[in-house]
Amino acid sequence: GAVVSQHPSWVICKSGTSVKIECRSLDFQATTMFWYRQFPKQSLMLMATSNEGSKATYEQGVEKDKFLINHASLTLSTLTVTSAHPEDSSFYICSASDTNTDTQYFGPGTRLTVL
Amino acid sequence: DQQVKQNSPSLSVQEGRISILNCDYTNSMFDYFLWYKKYPAEGPTFLISISSIKDKNEDGRFTVFLNKSAKHLSLHIVPSQPGDSAVYFCAASTNNGGATNKLIFGTGTLLAVQP
Repeated sequence: GAVVSQHPSWVICKSGTSVKIECRSLDFQATTMFWYRQFPKQSLMLMATSNEGSKATYEQGVEKDKFLINHASLTLSTLTVTSAHPEDSSFYICSASDTNTDTQYFGPGTRLTVL
Repeated sequence: DQQVKQNSPSLSVQEGRISILNCDYTNSMFDYFLWYKKYPAEGPTFLISISSIKDKNEDGRFTVFLNKSAKHLSLHIVPSQPGDSAVYFCAASTNNGGATNKLIFGTGTLLAVQP
């Protein structure tokens, strides 16, 4: 199947710093990517829909100025957590939509820990 | 507002027996449903899906049943194997699925298959 990668796989940062997470579709082009967040023992909560060349669409309750999304190419979307705080510590997962196979493929996730 | 719910946080079955994982939804606009398997610190892996025009879909050991009137779906795994031990998420979508439609995930059920 198609491959989606995320980088980094885990990151530890100090409170107040910004962290960038990359999501790449390795063998297909994705005009649409999604960003999810999962807290321990909870569901995957959709944060935003990222569309190549346009602004992301954020879900209700997600601060767009805190979670900056950039989808500048057909294979890369980035999520930047700005001024991170301990409550932002979570597992962030992206998915990329392959319109050729009409399937979403998920990345392996990024564990963010804010101290 | 949890639109997709999995009321059993965990399930334990013996190897070789049937595993039945349940999922309920509240939004009648959902018309496409998917099941994912997830290991800790990894992204979800797609298992099987079903469109609302069907009431059953089968793929090897996995069968998904959909009861639209009850807004309920279930995943049957038979026979269960120790390698099936993971967290299982159901997810729902609109517009008959499609890779660019956002997914709403359930709360997950941890399946443990005992040897």
